[in-house]
Amino acid sequence: TQLLEQSPQFLSIQEGENLTVYCNSSSVFSSLQWYRQEPGEGPVLLVTVVTGGEVKKLKRLTFQFGDARKDSSLHITAAQPGDTGLYLCAGRGGTSYGKLTFGQGTILTVHP
Amino acid sequence: NAGVTQTPKFQVLKTGQSMTLQCAQDMNHEYMSWYRQDPGMGLRLIHYSVGAGITDQGEVPNGYNVSRSTTEDFPLRLLSAAPSQTSVYFCASSYSGSPTSYEQYFGPGTRLTVT
Repeated sequence: TQLLEQSPQFLSIQEGENLTVYCNSSSVFSSLQWYRQEPGEGPVLLVTVVTGGEVKKLKRLTFQFGDARKDSSLHITAAQPGDTGLYLCAGRGGTSYGKLTFGQGTILTVHP
Repeated sequence: NAGVTQTPKFQVLKTGQSMTLQCAQDMNHEYMSWYRQDPGMGLRLIHYSVGAGITDQGEVPNGYNVSRSTTEDFPLRLLSAAPSQTSVYFCASSYSGSPTSYEQYFGPGTRLTVT
């Protein structure tokens, strides 16, 4: 069974601060996805990283896939209240269907 | 496109009752999945389907049944509801074809309470 450990579980910061969320596993994933979920809604895909060492940027969000494809990080620069939400990482194994393994999630609150 | 739709939005059941959560997608996606979300546990896969007529179990299948007679619809049946099934249920669809495929498109969720 593949497990993804996500940390921290909770993050409460002031507007303008930087933060990093980590997603770690002892298993190798063929790709890793990051989702953001707002209260009362389903998760929405932010990005997928596929290649070891890959870095993707989405405005103030930077996503990195570890060289060994066992870990990933999400860095937010100058956080804004609109960034508040639940952030989930999800790793895809090598099966033909590619069932996803989700981390526990990080609840981010950005205070004005 | 409506994307992935789920009904109902909220449901309260008594222990032992049965019900069906509905899910439909209009994106012609091959794959559909049901997840449950509980505090501090992320999303856990209940059942999934790789096409019409083909279903398989996920991580937590006990107490749930699924069927997929069409590409669009993937209902989830609770056979005899238990308090442990109190959760938020999400349906998702995805498609294959590239390294970045299998990205999940989620519905808005059904919040189920079993008393």
